[in-house]
Amino acid sequence: QSALTQPRSVSGSPGQSVTISCTGTSSDVGGYNYVSWYQQHPGKAPKLMIYDVSKRPSGVPDRFSGSKSGNTASLTISGLQAEDEADYYCCSYAGSHVVFGGGTKLTVL
Amino acid sequence: QVQLQESGPGLVKPSQTLSLTCTVSGGSISSGDYYWSWIRQPPGKGLEWIGYIYYSGSTYYNPSLKSRVTISVDTSKNQFSLKLSSVTAADTAVYYCARVFLGRPGWFDPWGQGTLVTVSS
Repeated sequence: QSALTQPRSVSGSPGQSVTISCTGTSSDVGGYNYVSWYQQHPGKAPKLMIYDVSKRPSGVPDRFSGSKSGNTASLTISGLQAEDEADYYCCSYAGSHVVFGGGTKLTVL
Repeated sequence: QVQLQESGPGLVKPSQTLSLTCTVSGGSISSGDYYWSWIRQPPGKGLEWIGYIYYSGSTYYNPSLKSRVTISVDTSKNQFSLKLSSVTAADTAVYYCARVFLGRPGWFDPWGQGTLVTVSS
């Protein structure tokens, strides 16, 4: 199966908002409300930030939000902070298996 | 609080079988509420889901790796394991184990710290 499509990089200044897109097909992103997002700092394990398209686990700031339209899911980070600089990966259920996006590097200017 | 820890050889020769174990602490692997998963990340690249297993032994695998992957569970040791056969340099990666919530595919939490496996002669 093909990885979900994410932009290689995005950037924003502190306090601004950025949105990372994740494009799949009707067999994955568009077919199920099981999209999740992970944050990964260098040398660290990924951390769950969003699940079920738009739900936040306990402890994740409400600056992080998720949404979906058709075959594209999005992660929006508002009020950017320096510590948000990291790689972000989307993930979707695809019917008996799971597929990840290629990852997006977020730079906080 | 559940914690996961990967273990196994850090170096495997080409054509051999990669074997890793994930030890679960702070909770029972036999809980019916979770699947247990392996995910890998080649150096400098993105994440790739390998597969997951239920405590009963039911498995789901990445179609692109299915012919070479076996995931098994040992409930008596609270561990699950990964075997990947006929490895090549392309299988060099950090291998993570993670818990998956039943009914929430893609909800991987928590993750182990990861272990680097290098395929080289």
